[in-house]
Amino acid sequence: GAVVSQHPSWVICKSGTSVKIECRSLDFQATTMFWYRQFPKQSLMLMATSNEGSKATYEQGVEKDKFLINHASLTLSTLTVTSAHPEDSSFYICSARHHMNEKLFFGSGTQLSVL
Amino acid sequence: GQQLNQSPQSMFIQEGEDVSMNCTSSSIFNTWLWYKQDPGEGPVLLIALYKAGELTSNGRLTAQFGITRKDSFLNISASIPSDVGIYFCAGMNYGGSQGNLIFGKGTKLSVKP
Repeated sequence: GAVVSQHPSWVICKSGTSVKIECRSLDFQATTMFWYRQFPKQSLMLMATSNEGSKATYEQGVEKDKFLINHASLTLSTLTVTSAHPEDSSFYICSARHHMNEKLFFGSGTQLSVL
Repeated sequence: GQQLNQSPQSMFIQEGEDVSMNCTSSSIFNTWLWYKQDPGEGPVLLIALYKAGELTSNGRLTAQFGITRKDSFLNISASIPSDVGIYFCAGMNYGGSQGNLIFGKGTKLSVKP
């Protein structure tokens, strides 16, 4: 089946530093990838839609200068949390839309802890 | 915007019991999806429904796409301990460039051996 690899699985960083999270579709092409944020015991909230070769589309209330998204190839999207602060601590999940059947496949998530 | 109401919020059941959970929406979707999420992991797709009235099974799981296109349910028969987790419904409308999912708040399932 289609596999989406998300890396790293967890990261601890100091306040003020930047963190990059990668989302790769391993055996299919994904022209569209999505980034979600999930707080403990909450549902997934869409942050942004990442389209290959163009600018990401951000949901209302999500700072695009804070959460930089790059989708430079058909198999890779990255989310960079810039100048991270403790309130950015969360579980971040990506999904990739299969270019053939349009089904969504999810990464395993990244737990970010900002000290 | 569209909202999903998922219920129940949590369930505590005995192994072997059947489970039922549902989602309702304030407006229609043309696709309903059910996911399971284990702690510290991303959601895994269980069942996808693409047509109103569609009833689909995946092993012990059965899900239906409501006729009104505003609701869906998921049933789990003869639950086992590994069914423990959080189950999310999600609605999606294809079309346009995004096709993003809207998730329900989840149903936390606990199974007592």
